[in-house]
Formats: sequence, C-alpha cells, structure tokens
Amino acid sequence: DSGVTQTPKHLITATGQRVTLRCSPRSGDLSVYWYQQSLDQGLQFLIQYYNGEERAKGNILERFSAQQFPDLHSELNLSSLELGDSALYFCASSRQAQNTGELFFGEGSRLTVL
Amino acid sequence: SQQGEEDPQALSIQEGENATMNCSYKTSINNLQWYRQNSGRGLVHLILIRSNEREKHSGRLRVTLDTSKKSSSLLITASRAADTASYFCATGDTNAGKSTFGDGTTLTVKP
Repeated sequence: DSGVTQTPKHLITATGQRVTLRCSPRSGDLSVYWYQQSLDQGLQFLIQYYNGEERAKGNILERFSAQQFPDLHSELNLSSLELGDSALYFCASSRQAQNTGELFFGEGSRLTVL
Repeated sequence: SQQGEEDPQALSIQEGENATMNCSYKTSINNLQWYRQNSGRGLVHLILIRSNEREKHSGRLRVTLDTSKKSSSLLITASRAADTASYFCATGDTNAGKSTFGDGTTLTVKP
C-alpha cells in the first residue's frame, strides 16, 4: 500500500460528459502529480501541484483541469469527454517540489468513455 | 516523445533465469528511477540511481547507469513468476525538474 488513495476505481461515462477524479496523497507529501496511461500513449505526465500551487504542466488538454485543496487532496476534472480519453489516470505524490525523486502511486482510476 | 525508452518492449523467460532491461534517454539527468507495474495496478518504485553513481543493488535487482551513453540497465536475477510485470524507467530531468517515463518493458516469467 503506497498510502495514496484514488477514487473512483472505475468510471464509465458517455462522450460529452464531465467527470472528477479524486486523489489523497500520502501523509506528509506536499506534491501531487497526475498521469494518464493509455495503450497507445504510454504514461503521460499531465500536471503537478505543490502545496496548493500548480508546479509543472505536461501534456494536459484544455478540457482537463486540476486543483489541489488546502488539505492537500487533489481533483482532476475531465470535461467534454471523448472516446480517446478512455485510460487509466494515476495520481502520485512525493515530499519534494521537484518531480525528480521517488513517486508513490495510487492504484489509478480507470475511465471508460462510451 | 518520451525521454526514456525501454528495450526490449517485451521479454519472456523461464523462472530462475536472469532478466535484463535497458533504458535510453536523451537529455541530462540528475537521477534515473525504475518502477514496476503489475497489470492494471499502480506503479511501485524499485530503485533510484543518481547521475554520479554507476551501479546500485537492491535484493535481486541490479541497476547500472552510463551517463556517457545515456543509458541504464535493470537486471533481475533468479527471476520468479511473481516478477511478471511491466517495468518502467523514469528520468529525473535536471532542467525541466520533472520525471519522464518510458513506454516500459513487459516481462513474463514462466514457471
């Protein structure tokens, strides 16, 4: 158990809809990262928050947004969903601001867009 | 494209054999990490090697790093069926301040 909690574990929705994925980082970790894993794109870094502030941005679409709350949990919002958004979405956490050390991953949220 | 690229994409061996996976990267790094992912599960950190280190061991794992060739290898000795998983390298980029994952090597260990 990494200590990182993600909900929901599975989500099935339709194109055009909006979903919110939630992540609680490991106790004491200030950084939260979101990754998307699909069969054809591998593991793609989306965005990182550190202590409530956006720290780094990767290949995140404009239809996607995220935030980190004062209690350090984070939410990833995916809107106007398309079939291609079907993927595993992982949250990871770490103590430091720099995303260059050990990351602790949650079990992921599997999103299926029909 | 991904910073780290694993080779081979897939590897199938018998239990007891050694498994070697390679990772190549493009830019300067301050560390390189290896992660393991069981099917449909989260990634688990295995080992981190810093750019000034050449070799590191952890149990049955041995990682080497050659910064001149921009490559790393992960050796799993005396493999077990439970080692069946995907293995990813992640490079800690000095300039970008973030880790970038490769596409992974899928290892199958047959009992």
